[in-house]
Amino acid sequence: KAGVTQTPRYLIKTRGQQVTLSCSPISGHRSVSWYQQTPGQGLQFLFEYFSETQRNKGNFPGRFSGRQFSNSRSEMNVSTLELGDSALYLCASSRYWTSGFPDRFFGPGTRLTVL
Amino acid sequence: GENVEQHPSTLSVQEGDSAVIKCTYSDSASNYFPWYKQELGKGPQLIIDIRSNVGEKKDQRIAVTLNKTAKHFSLHITETQPEDSAVYFCAASMSAAGNKLTFGGGTRVLVKP
Repeated sequence: KAGVTQTPRYLIKTRGQQVTLSCSPISGHRSVSWYQQTPGQGLQFLFEYFSETQRNKGNFPGRFSGRQFSNSRSEMNVSTLELGDSALYLCASSRYWTSGFPDRFFGPGTRLTVL
Repeated sequence: GENVEQHPSTLSVQEGDSAVIKCTYSDSASNYFPWYKQELGKGPQLIIDIRSNVGEKKDQRIAVTLNKTAKHFSLHITETQPEDSAVYFCAASMSAAGNKLTFGGGTRVLVKP
């Protein structure tokens, strides 16, 4: 079956702009989590959506937001981009909203570069 | 919140030798510990996981051990092969936090032929 799809794969923006990233989960998966990966901070949890509701949020400023649609596809938005927002943004889809199940799959990520 | 520390940050081994990566976690409520392998240009891929009610789990050349009392868990790769070269991440999660994973800092493993 098809894996997690993220679009676009690469993105270049300038400071102050905003950006929207998209994640399409595996068919049948209702949970989408977002992570930011940087060399300095590693992999950090942004937020999780399940059945169109944000269920959990990490320690990121309000410039980072997301949403989930009825087909489980999710978008994350970053407003007023800063240089430090340059990162690989990963999404992961799961069938359930609970840990302990090895059904969490990551997408290939969107590489965002802020100039 | 949960904090996961991972050591070493880099590991170089000769092909055929074993590799061991260690992680410690801080929150005793964590009850699920997956390990991920990330290759260049790809997202992390689950290679093995363990739940808090299990002390050890093995899958072919890969094994994971968990010591709940000491709050640490380890990944063991035996008979390493060049294709094992990648970055490995440990993570911890708890039932109350849904699918939120707290990751360790990663270990870059290089297997020399």
